[in-house]
Amino acid sequence: DQQVKQNSPSLSVQEGRISILNCDYTNSMFDYFLWYKKYPAEGPTFLISISSIKDKNEDGRFTVFLNKSAKHLSLHIVPSQPGDSAVYFCAASPPGNSGGYQKVTFGIGTKLQVIP
Amino acid sequence: KAGVTQTPRYLIKTRGQQVTLSCSPISGHRSVSWYQQTPGQGLQFLFEYFSETQRNKGNFPGRFSGRQFSNSRSEMNVSTLELGDSALYLCASSLDGREDTEAFFGQGTRLTVV
Repeated sequence: DQQVKQNSPSLSVQEGRISILNCDYTNSMFDYFLWYKKYPAEGPTFLISISSIKDKNEDGRFTVFLNKSAKHLSLHIVPSQPGDSAVYFCAASPPGNSGGYQKVTFGIGTKLQVIP
Repeated sequence: KAGVTQTPRYLIKTRGQQVTLSCSPISGHRSVSWYQQTPGQGLQFLFEYFSETQRNKGNFPGRFSGRQFSNSRSEMNVSTLELGDSALYLCASSLDGREDTEAFFGQGTRLTVV
């Protein structure tokens, strides 16, 4: 049972427009959410994160929105650039406790293609 | 500063064999996590090591094991390989493995079981 779901396997967006990648989660214990970007033949790289005490975090062209009541988060990329073409993974983590720390659960990814 | 290094990059094994993958974290990082990436399942957490101790484990059979050395380098071992073990295995290192500490991934080891 997937606790982090990315229901869109792929997305195509015109250069300059907004890209919106969506992610839903089922585990209400998750309190920290991350987005990773992955290019072919490379490992994922951290993009942006958000704590459950916030509903928005912005970093340049990237903004993550969190709706806790809907258990939904989204990544907005504005404006989209061809170099943003990659697979984007949504990830979530429960609070750190005596049971261990980093036990991040990833979604299966959404492949974004930005068309020049 | 050197990134996370995984060796080998590619590996072909036959069913029933065993395999050992290596991960050298970023200097100073003490936490190493391992993930399996397959097309249908995405990135799945295998286990996390910190100061030579396994702190966390995902839902994988006992054929998957790992260890961490005093220099924080980590190895992952898979015994009695099955066709379904074919995947990209990624390791990630971070300073302390906390949820809000950025983790840096290696390029991965592509394992093919035939």
